[in-house]
Amino acid sequence: NAGVTQTPKFQVLKTGQSMTLQCAQDMNHNSMYWYRQDPGMGLRLIYYSASEGTTDKGEVPNGYNVSRLNKREFSLRLESAAPSQTSVYFCASTFDFTGNQPQHFGDGTRLSIL
Amino acid sequence: GDSVTQMEGPVTLSEEAFLTINCTYTATGYPSLFWYVQYPGEGLQLLLKATKADDKGSNKGFEATYRKETTSFHLEKGSVQVSDSAVYFCALSDRPGSGNTGKLIFGQGTTLQVKP
Repeated sequence: NAGVTQTPKFQVLKTGQSMTLQCAQDMNHNSMYWYRQDPGMGLRLIYYSASEGTTDKGEVPNGYNVSRLNKREFSLRLESAAPSQTSVYFCASTFDFTGNQPQHFGDGTRLSIL
Repeated sequence: GDSVTQMEGPVTLSEEAFLTINCTYTATGYPSLFWYVQYPGEGLQLLLKATKADDKGSNKGFEATYRKETTSFHLEKGSVQVSDSAVYFCALSDRPGSGNTGKLIFGQGTTLQVKP
């Protein structure tokens, strides 16, 4: 089925470890996003890529880096994990950057940092 | 900056009751407005959208009308079912240009529990 695929679905890390969250979409979308979801705070934008070859910071970028590997793939990297980064991470994509098109979401990565 | 405010939950209703979840927004310009739904253990799914003032979005018995005068986009359903139990998010998306970037800004989410 077409959609947004995130890997892994669950991960437990120790403080200071690094890891990369993977995201791929097969809908030929141009724009991709990474959000984190914390209780009572909705979703907050970490980084986004308006089109292949561009990336920009969102609301909460500190402690994260991203790579738009190609049109399909957009990865999120935690270089030195901290307990404050325990969260559920969602990747999303949309066809264009006009603001009229809905975003399509993956099922999330549940990340715990001890 | 732009923001979205939703009524706090959880909202608990009996099956076949009428549902309203309030959503108000603050934005410069003319944003598009969305309602997303999140079922347990899943990502967000688009429920409905409206792209200009007075537009009514509808899907699966849910409706919301874009009210520019009151800066609101309240979600309604005439008769809820147990299967509607989920978390509902209101969101806005600015149009790119004039300092906006077309990103989604979410409310904090409202949990709906429907009992048989």
